[in-house]
Amino acid sequence: QQQVKQSPQSLIVQKGGISIINCAYENTAFDYFPWYQQFPGKGPALLIAIRPDVSEKKEGRFTISFNKSAKQFSLHIMDSQPGDSATYFCAALSRKTSGSRLTFGEGTQLTVNP
Amino acid sequence: DGGITQSPKYLFRKEGQNVTLSCEQNLNHDAMYWYRQDPGQGLRLIYYSQIVNDFQKGDIAEGYSVSREKKESFPLTVTSAQKNPTAFYLCASSWTSASGNTIYFGEGSWLTVV
Repeated sequence: QQQVKQSPQSLIVQKGGISIINCAYENTAFDYFPWYQQFPGKGPALLIAIRPDVSEKKEGRFTISFNKSAKQFSLHIMDSQPGDSATYFCAALSRKTSGSRLTFGEGTQLTVNP
Repeated sequence: DGGITQSPKYLFRKEGQNVTLSCEQNLNHDAMYWYRQDPGQGLRLIYYSQIVNDFQKGDIAEGYSVSREKKESFPLTVTSAQKNPTAFYLCASSWTSASGNTIYFGEGSWLTVV
């Protein structure tokens, strides 16, 4: 069962444009929502994260918008650069007595054209 | 340098063989995880461990086994029962405090069946 749905699967943006990636979740027990950036052949690296009591978080050119009632969150990359070309994953964290675990979206392959 | 070390980077397995992927972390993290990544499917959780000598099955544990004899080590064995083992395998670790659960990833290991 896919608990975190991510779209689009791929995205092409011109340099300087805005990249927007969307995610939706079902499990209301999720309480931490990170975004990861992955370059080919490398492990994912944490980009930015948000908690559900906050509607927006900004770090440099990267912003997460969070809509708790709609159970949706999105990543905005302002002034997109060719170096931002990578695969982006949203994720959601759930905590159980057996431990915490991240559930990932399917990923978005972003290409920023020069 | 602190971090998560996975080895080997590339591994080839013959049909019917078991292979073990190594994961070591020197971040003093309590929790460790194994994810599998296939194209277009994001990251799927195989096993995770919150403390030494304890681990839990993730979403796709069949055909895999793990051990957690030391805090810093969490090896993954891909057994012959795993019918489609060719994939990119990612080890990760995190703290287990309630205030945050940033999960950090290693560089990954490529496993190919020949």
